[in-house]
This record gives sequence, C-alpha cells and structure tokens, in this order.
Amino acid sequence: DAGITQSPRHKVTETGTPVTLRCHQTENHRYMYWYRQDPGHGLRLIHYSYGVKDTDKGEVSDGYSVSRSKTEDFLLTLESATSSQTSVYFCAISYSENQPQHFGDGTRLSIL
Amino acid sequence: DAKTTQPPSMDCAEGRAANLPCNHSTISGNEYVYWYRQIHSQGPQYIIHGLKNNETNEMASLIITEDRKSSTLILPHATLRDTAVYYCIVRVTSNAGGTSYGKLTFGQGTILTVHP
Repeated sequence: DAGITQSPRHKVTETGTPVTLRCHQTENHRYMYWYRQDPGHGLRLIHYSYGVKDTDKGEVSDGYSVSRSKTEDFLLTLESATSSQTSVYFCAISYSENQPQHFGDGTRLSIL
Repeated sequence: DAKTTQPPSMDCAEGRAANLPCNHSTISGNEYVYWYRQIHSQGPQYIIHGLKNNETNEMASLIITEDRKSSTLILPHATLRDTAVYYCIVRVTSNAGGTSYGKLTFGQGTILTVHP
C-alpha cells in the first residue's frame, strides 16, 4: 500500500541489544516519519525526516536515533533496547508536510 | 493542534450509511480536518481531509459545519470490511509559521462495528 515496506515485520530481542528498523519507500516522497503505537497512547511521533540527511525529533525521541542517507530509506535505531520500547512501530511518508501521510503495515517489536 | 472529541464506539448495519461525528470546537482558521482509519493489526489508512468545504472521494464524504467546529465522516454504504477505528485529526498547515512538519496527533478514535 502506497509503496511502503517496513522490515522486519516482527522482532523479538533482549534488553540492551541494538535494534534497527527499516522503512523503504518507492514513491520518492520527501517526508518520512516514525511513530510508535501503544495501548492507551495512540500513535506518537518519534522522529521525522524532511529530506536526505535532514531529520528532527518528535515527541517521544529519547532512546531512538534515525538516519536517512537516501530518499527511499529511513532507519530507526534503538541503541540499547529497553522493555519500555516494546511497541508497534509505523513508518509514514508524505509528498510534502501538507499532504496526507500514508502508513506502512508496521513492525511489532518485543523487548524481553 | 486543536483537540478533537469523538464517540468511543458506534454500530452500523451493513449496507447502511455510517455517520461518524467529530467535535473540534477550538479549531483555527489554518487547520485542516483529516480522517484516518485503522483496521486491526494494520497501519492507519488515510480517508479524506478538508478545510471548510465539503469533500467527497471514492471512500467517503466529509461534511464540515459552517463554523468549522464539528464535522461528520460519511461512509455511504458500509461493509463488514469498514469495521475499524476511525480517527478525526485536526492538523495545522505549513502556512501557520513556526515549526510545522506535518505531525499527526491521533486520539482514541471511534470504534465502528459494521454488523450483518
């Protein structure tokens, strides 16, 4: 849907390990976003990118870093995963900041 | 972004119109109304958005009151596949100045159940 692929779709890992989630798009959209979704909190923005090598923090960025070395890929890294980062992670893309965002199918991440 | 209020749940019979209300009484003149839905275990799906005029696309219609304090999403002929959580979101445009990067603030939404 909308040319967005998230990988992996599911991951289980242990506390303290590094984790990288990938979002790949084929739409050549400028804007890319990472959200997390938790019960009782809805979707919350972690980081976003407004171009290659241009990124900024969202509302829940602590413990996360991102990189965007090319238009089609936006990586989310948990440097040292904690159990509080167990969540479903969604990537979204948009042509511009005023255009609708389109979401991927999500990555379900469990930190044990 | 303005806060929105939606009923927590609604039911609709298959084949009938589903009318989902949303209150956004503190909306500003430069804020759009967006609707998304999320089917279980999938990513949110964009449905429609509007500023002050009514809008229609292949999925739904959006009716915004003249004072823009509320809106209604209409699914004209609901099917079982329309069962989902529907989110009404008010979103500032980039013309507002300051930091604007397209952030969407999702509330709790309305759980719409379409039954046979």
